[in-house]
Amino acid sequence: DGGITQSPKYLFRKEGQNVTLSCEQNLNHDAMYWYRQDPGQGLRLIYYSQIVNDFQKGDIAEGYSVSREKKESFPLTVTSAQKNPTAFYLCASKTALSGANVLTFGAGSRLTVL
Amino acid sequence: AQSVSQHNHHVILSEAASLELGCNYSYGGTVNLFWYVQYPGQHLQLLLKYFSGDPLVKGIKGFEAEFIKSKFSFNLRKPSVQWSDTAEYFCAVNEAGRRALTFGSGTRLQVQP
Repeated sequence: DGGITQSPKYLFRKEGQNVTLSCEQNLNHDAMYWYRQDPGQGLRLIYYSQIVNDFQKGDIAEGYSVSREKKESFPLTVTSAQKNPTAFYLCASKTALSGANVLTFGAGSRLTVL
Repeated sequence: AQSVSQHNHHVILSEAASLELGCNYSYGGTVNLFWYVQYPGQHLQLLLKYFSGDPLVKGIKGFEAEFIKSKFSFNLRKPSVQWSDTAEYFCAVNEAGRRALTFGSGTRLQVQP
């Protein structure tokens, strides 16, 4: 079945550590996105990528980094510079053929900083 | 900057009650509008969308939404909710030329049997 796989599902990290969240899709979608979900704040855009080797900052990119070396993969690194990293992280993708942003979402990764 | 407001943060209804969830956005130009739903333990999924044409759009599971351009609104409705509609609902907007969706803060719906 085609879809988006995010791993790990749950992750704990100590303050000051970087951590990388994986996002892999087998939908042959061109664009991929990272959102952060916090209670009462909805989804906020961290980074997105329209094509391989290109990505753009979203609304809350500070303290995060991404790469897009392959079409299928869009990993997100939460760095120690992120002041409040505990959150639920959602990866999404869409095909460039779509006239508008109908996104397919992964199951999410929940990061807790101890 | 574009913003999306969902004024109902938590709604509790009994089964068979009617539902209306509010969504307002700030952008005055051409927009595409969406409602996504997140059932407990499941992925976010598309409920319905508006691109153009008839402002009353129908989605899955008996949901519908009406785009009122003069009010910058895209409210979600269902005439009779079921316990299985318990979920979090997100309104989202994509302004023309912007490459990513902007989401509202979400509304948690709890339907009591």
